[in-house]
Amino acid sequence: AQTVTQSQPEMSVQEAETVTLSCTYDTSESDYYLFWYKQPPSRQMILVIRQEAYKQQNATENRFSVNFQKAAKSFSLKISDSQLGDAAMYFCAYSEDKIIFGKGTRLHILP
Amino acid sequence: SQTIHQWPATLVQPVGSPLSLECTVEGTSNPNLYWYRQAAGRGLQLLFYSVGIGQISSEVPQNLSASRPQDRQFILSSKKLLLSDSGFYLCAWRAGVPGELFFGEGSRLTVL
Repeated sequence: AQTVTQSQPEMSVQEAETVTLSCTYDTSESDYYLFWYKQPPSRQMILVIRQEAYKQQNATENRFSVNFQKAAKSFSLKISDSQLGDAAMYFCAYSEDKIIFGKGTRLHILP
Repeated sequence: SQTIHQWPATLVQPVGSPLSLECTVEGTSNPNLYWYRQAAGRGLQLLFYSVGIGQISSEVPQNLSASRPQDRQFILSSKKLLLSDSGFYLCAWRAGVPGELFFGEGSRLTVL
């Protein structure tokens, strides 16, 4: 069965600094999709970034980028120039027809 | 545009009582539908998903069940709630496998 592991329950970063959130997954499939979702205190789930497994190029969305290592089954999220509004719970997710989420990393932004 | 509605937003139920959470999607057809539960301090646990009317896949065998009576309606039910059923329930949809999930506002269930 597919699993998603986020080994950092909580992290803190100084405002304007860069932080990397880790995610590993386990699958025997070669074609799949990976996501990072953000859940602010409002509890609304927001898509941050998406990566197709068949694409070698790492996805980027403004200040957010990923380091996708398919052989290592690793999918980390880098947030550059951290802002107070980035404070949230971040979930890594693996997708085929179902979507499996990790347990999340709570990110604190220090002013 | 597509929207997803989930209700009720908050529910307090005694142990042993029934449960019905409802989710509807508007503005799309034949969506993939999902029910997740988020317990306090934990991640999102996939409970059920459906790729079509009457097609339900269960990820967690327990006292919960799901039904999809119409294309854009997804219902989470229980005949007898347990204390461990407390949590934040999220319904979500997407248009297809590559697509992102769009989530409802969530339902907070407290079982006393």
